Amino acid sequence: KQEVTQIPAALSVPEGENLVLNCSFTDSAIYNLQWFRQDPGKGLTSLLLIQSSQREQTSGRLNASLDKSSGRSTLYIAASQPGDSATYLCAVPMEYGNKLVFGAGTILRVKS
Amino acid sequence: GAGVSQSPSNKVTEKGKDVELRCDPISGHTALYWYRQSLGQGLEFLIYFQGNSAPDKSGLPSDRFSAERTGGSVSTLTIQRTQQEDSAVYLCASSDPNQPQHFGDGTRLSIL
Repeated sequence: KQEVTQIPAALSVPEGENLVLNCSFTDSAIYNLQWFRQDPGKGLTSLLLIQSSQREQTSGRLNASLDKSSGRSTLYIAASQPGDSATYLCAVPMEYGNKLVFGAGTILRVKS
Repeated sequence: GAGVSQSPSNKVTEKGKDVELRCDPISGHTALYWYRQSLGQGLEFLIYFQGNSAPDKSGLPSDRFSAERTGGSVSTLTIQRTQQEDSAVYLCASSDPNQPQHFGDGTRLSIL
C-alpha cells in the first residue's frame, strides 16, 4: 500500500528565504508525482507534475525534483513571498489510473 | 477557460437526510475523480471515472455512497442517510490520462 509522508508539517520563514519541502513515498513504482498548493477554503492548484522518467521540473520560482529509487521528492521555493503562504501537498498515483495518494501537507507561512 | 465547477459550495443538512453533490469537469477531460478531505484523515480517494469504462469505486467508504457520470461529463456524488462522520469537504478533479489533475473548490458538507 502506497504511503506518502511530508516533512515538515509546518514551516514559518521570513520573506526572501529559499526553502525546501520534502515528500517521501513507500512504493517507488510510480508513474508520476504531483505537487499542489491549497489556499484556505479553496481546492487544489496543480503546481508541477514530474513524470517517472524525469528528474525535475521547474516553473518560475518553483523547482521540484524526483528520485524514484529512494522514494523522495523535494519542492524548492526560491525567494519566498507572503503570497506563497498556503498548504503544499504532494501526491502519487496508486496506479496508472491516476487515483492519487496524498501526503498530509506542509503548512507554509511566509512573514513580511 | 473554465475550470472544474462544483455545487453547492456549502451544504448543511440534518443527520439521516440524503445529499447530492455536483461536479462539472473541464470540457474534454476523460477522467473524473472524487476525493474527500476531512480533519484528521487528510485527502482520500473515493471514486474514479475514465471514459466509458466501469467506474473504480474502491475508495467509497460505505454503500451509502454512490456516484454517476452522465454522458461522460457531469458527475453527481450521492450520500444517503447522512451521518455526522460524513462531514467533510468533497473535492472533484478532472484530467486527461497521466496529466495533471485539476480540482474544483469543493463542497463543504456539514451534518448536524
